[in-house]
Amino acid sequence: EAGVAQSPRYKIIEKRQSVAFWCNPISGHATLYWYQQILGQGPKLLIQFQNNGVVDDSQLPKDRFSAERLKGVDSTLKIQPAKLEDSAVYLCASSPEIGEVAEQFFGPGTRLTVL
Amino acid sequence: AQSVTQPDIHITVSEGASLELRCNYSYGATPYLFWYVQSPGQGLQLLLKYFSGDTLVQGIKGFEAEFKRSQSSFNLRKPSVHWSDAAEYFCAVESNFGNEKLTFGTGTRLTIIP
Repeated sequence: EAGVAQSPRYKIIEKRQSVAFWCNPISGHATLYWYQQILGQGPKLLIQFQNNGVVDDSQLPKDRFSAERLKGVDSTLKIQPAKLEDSAVYLCASSPEIGEVAEQFFGPGTRLTVL
Repeated sequence: AQSVTQPDIHITVSEGASLELRCNYSYGATPYLFWYVQSPGQGLQLLLKYFSGDTLVQGIKGFEAEFKRSQSSFNLRKPSVHWSDAAEYFCAVESNFGNEKLTFGTGTRLTIIP
């Protein structure tokens, strides 16, 4: 089966600009996650969707980050305006369903550099 | 709150030698535990997981891990490493209350020397 797709793979922007990332999860996977991985750290969960509803966004900086998952399939993560500290790899993951322990499948990530 | 500690930031091992990567967790109940591997420019790939039962878990690529409740540890092992094992390894813990929230450690970077 096809894996989790993400685009773009790399993005360089200047601070205060906006940027958007796209994720297409594995077909049929109900749960979608966005993680932020800063260099030298483990991934940190930003937001979790179940179908098109938000399950957990407690660690999402809502003053500048937003995410949506229209129709419960694809998702976009937006940063506006970007700050230097937003430089990181943004990983998208999906899993079959919530309510039971299920493996999360990760995409290759988008590497964001903010200058 | 759950947390994971990987005390070794960087480990260098000779090809063919054995490997052990350490992981300690903090969680109030029996957690779900995972090891992921991340090669440069790649996403995370699941090596193995522990939910319950046998405390010695076998994974892909010849890796295994042992859950030790008394030590709050879940160390990853491989008897003989290959050059292709060079990567970043992450231990993660998940709440068993069904919200599937993974908390990752900071990772251990593995370098293989000939």
